[in-house]
Amino acid sequence: DVKVTQSSRYLVKRTGEKVFLECVQDMDHENMFWYRQDPGLGLRLIYFSYDVKMKEKGDIPEGYSVSREKKERFSLILESASTNQTSMYLCASSLGAGNQPQHFGDGTRLSIL
Amino acid sequence: QKEVEQNSGPLSVPEGAIASLNCTYSDRVSQSFFWYRQYSGKSPELIMSIYSNGDKEDGRFTAQLNKASQYVSLLIRDSQPSDSATYLCAVKQAGTALIFGKGTTLSVSS
Repeated sequence: DVKVTQSSRYLVKRTGEKVFLECVQDMDHENMFWYRQDPGLGLRLIYFSYDVKMKEKGDIPEGYSVSREKKERFSLILESASTNQTSMYLCASSLGAGNQPQHFGDGTRLSIL
Repeated sequence: QKEVEQNSGPLSVPEGAIASLNCTYSDRVSQSFFWYRQYSGKSPELIMSIYSNGDKEDGRFTAQLNKASQYVSLLIRDSQPSDSATYLCAVKQAGTALIFGKGTTLSVSS
């Protein structure tokens, strides 16, 4: 079974803080993704990566950055957290070739106070 | 704008009935299609994938794909209260991330 592990289930931070969300997958997947999910807005793609040190902007990259130094790890960084970044954050991974599904981690519920 | 549309629901069915969930997509070059189930407060879980026209069955679940009409559906037979969840339709074009619908909430009453 694919295992995608997110470092925290719940996280509370203050506005202006730099926040790191970590994601690790154990299936040697090439692709990794970061989404946020908000009521009524569905899943929205923030950033994704097709290879180590490679990143692509998704639909809502503003206020976020990412890092992929190793194939198994994809980090999401909130440069200066704001209250409108309070959300559920979901990491996913998939194989690179073909029409492969994405597999999700358990999610991190982030609150910015 | 590439879109995936789902009726938000809630769709309410009695226990033992067939639940029918529908999804339409805008991009004709879409190649693969997925259904995810998401329980409240949990992350999406893959339950079905379908790549070619027709039906694909897996236990109580059947996915149906019609590329000419650009829709994909999920049938759940013998619905159980444990099937109560939000069902997300996801569509993939070549070389891109999945595009998700906003989901349909299913409620199965006992």
